[in-house]
Amino acid sequence: DAGITQSPRHKVTETGTPVTLRCHQTENHRYMYWYRQDPGHGLRLIHYSYGVKDTDKGEVSDGYSVSRSKTEDFLLTLESATSSQTSVYFCAIKGDRGEAFFGQGTRLTVV
Amino acid sequence: GENVEQHPSTLSVQEGDSAVIKCTYSDSASNYFPWYKQELGKRPQLIIDIRSNVGEKKDQRIAVTLNKTAKHFSLHITETQPEDSAVYFCAEYNFNKFYFGSGTKLNVKP
Repeated sequence: DAGITQSPRHKVTETGTPVTLRCHQTENHRYMYWYRQDPGHGLRLIHYSYGVKDTDKGEVSDGYSVSRSKTEDFLLTLESATSSQTSVYFCAIKGDRGEAFFGQGTRLTVV
Repeated sequence: GENVEQHPSTLSVQEGDSAVIKCTYSDSASNYFPWYKQELGKRPQLIIDIRSNVGEKKDQRIAVTLNKTAKHFSLHITETQPEDSAVYFCAEYNFNKFYFGSGTKLNVKP
């Protein structure tokens, strides 16, 4: 599993509340990614990080922010959750051969 | 992702038949093309990949081909088995980001 853990694994939250998802890695990889997975859309990139305090936007970044204050942790925050952000969220790292390894995923429901 | 188109979205084959999934990409700078298999409720897992300096790569029943001129790459699964049933994603790596296709749901009928 490339030492990647996501928390929480499941969350139900109310519209308008902030939500933070955590991705933790144990193998010191430089690149980390947040994706969301929705039926018919595959995996869409939200934000990614190329080092501590270095982040950039992906395809679907509106309504999301990220932070990376330590190499091992990459946080995704939904500033004010909406029903359109109900999804499965996957964190990934870029491994030593250049491939992506994924965390177990977080199922988020916004009611 | 918008950079990668994947077809078909669903594919049903009889056990023992072959399955082919195709992807096209738009940016000629892309140089790495992995394929992922995702079983229901699980995370995507890498099954095979190809780099832009190679035209074909095989791993037992799975092969990937790459046509850089036409900007398309394909996954070939031979002698399909029921345990091959899953969703498959192609991806391209470009400027430090992975862009994924929309997925193909493969159903292998016993």
